[in-house]
Amino acid sequence: KAGVTQTPRYLIKTRGQQVTLSCSPISGHRSVSWYQQTPGQGLQFLFEYFSETQRNKGNFPGRFSGRQFSNSRSEMNVSTLELGDSALYLCASSSVWQQETQYFGPGTRLLVL
Amino acid sequence: KNEVEQSPQNLTAQEGEFITINCSYSVGISALHWLQQHPGGGIVSLFMLSSGKKKHGRLIATINIQEKHSSLHITASHPRDSAVYICAIQRDKLIFGTGTRLQVFP
Repeated sequence: KAGVTQTPRYLIKTRGQQVTLSCSPISGHRSVSWYQQTPGQGLQFLFEYFSETQRNKGNFPGRFSGRQFSNSRSEMNVSTLELGDSALYLCASSSVWQQETQYFGPGTRLLVL
Repeated sequence: KNEVEQSPQNLTAQEGEFITINCSYSVGISALHWLQQHPGGGIVSLFMLSSGKKKHGRLIATINIQEKHSSLHITASHPRDSAVYICAIQRDKLIFGTGTRLQVFP
């Protein structure tokens, strides 16, 4: 089975722009979670989708949003980028709602200038 | 105070040594995860456990729910074990520790 894929792998944006990141889960997995990793805050939960519904959301401003499609692929969007949004964004998939082993993608490294 | 505390933050070892990484948490959980992150950034899930002990190759994870404590042990450590090991507790979402950076020298 192919693993979790994320595109793009690297991205450079400037302040005020918006960005969309994509995550394709392992075939058959219906749960996708997104995480942000920064040197200062470590790994933090952004949100989780299951069967196209957002099940949970972390403590991030409304500039961070996401969605899940019927094929379980997920996208997250960050609008009005700030310097502090520079981070590694990871997605992870599992077959059911997060209550089991998660399989992580390689991440998208976002740099905001 | 963080809900998840890991120790030590950094660990160096000689190849072959037995290694222990500790994780303490302060809230009720449904499960605890141990993750491994290599310098490229990719994360691999090593264990998910809610009680007792699990073993996979040279890795052993234990959890004591009453004491709110988990340990990850690596037997006969090898330079390829060099990575950051992260403990995460499962509630309605994953809450992560700050990680333990392990370096194993030949």
